[in-house]
Amino acid sequence: AQKITQTQPGMFVQEKEAVTLDCTYDTSDQSYGLFWYKQPSSGEMIFLIYQGSYDEQNATEGRYSLNFQKARKSANLVISASQLGDSAMYFCAMREGFGGGATNKLIFGTGTLLAVQP
Amino acid sequence: EAQVTQNPRYLITVTGKKLTVTCSQNMNHEYMSWYRQDPGLGLRQIYYSMNVEVTDKGDVPEGYKVSRKEKRNFPLILESPSPNQTSLYFCASTGGGSYGYTFGSGTRLTVV
Repeated sequence: AQKITQTQPGMFVQEKEAVTLDCTYDTSDQSYGLFWYKQPSSGEMIFLIYQGSYDEQNATEGRYSLNFQKARKSANLVISASQLGDSAMYFCAMREGFGGGATNKLIFGTGTLLAVQP
Repeated sequence: EAQVTQNPRYLITVTGKKLTVTCSQNMNHEYMSWYRQDPGLGLRQIYYSMNVEVTDKGDVPEGYKVSRKEKRNFPLILESPSPNQTSLYFCASTGGGSYGYTFGSGTRLTVV
């Protein structure tokens, strides 16, 4: 069954340090997409970064990068130079299949609560 | 501005009183979906729609209804809400393929 696993319920990081949030996934599809979302205490879901299963390069968006290891089925989020505003819940998600007839369903992990300390 | 608009943001209601949470998107997306978020469970899909008049159940559809009469609107209906439907609800839309999802700002529902 398709599944996303985030094994870190909570993490602390010092301001200006880098932090890695773990995500592993399980799918039998060859074509899929992986997403990371940030949810601050205000509740909205903010898209951070996307990695397609056929993308050879790891995705990067500013201070965010995705460490994609396809053989290990992992898609860890790396936040460089943490800021106090990075304190939030982070969700890893996967979408399976593309093209006609795809359901576009997003499957979410249970999230990791990150606290950035000054 | 491209957005998904959900209303209301907060709602407290009593058991059994029918309610509707509205969702509207202005991006001409074909695909729309409803999720509920509960502590320790992440987000779970309730219903989704791949186009007008095309809807299907997600992982947790019991107690919910949806309709898709127009492309832009996808309301979530709770015919007889119960306390176990107390949750944070999100509507989302996407153009499909490698396009990202746009989420609404969420509706925090409390059923007493």
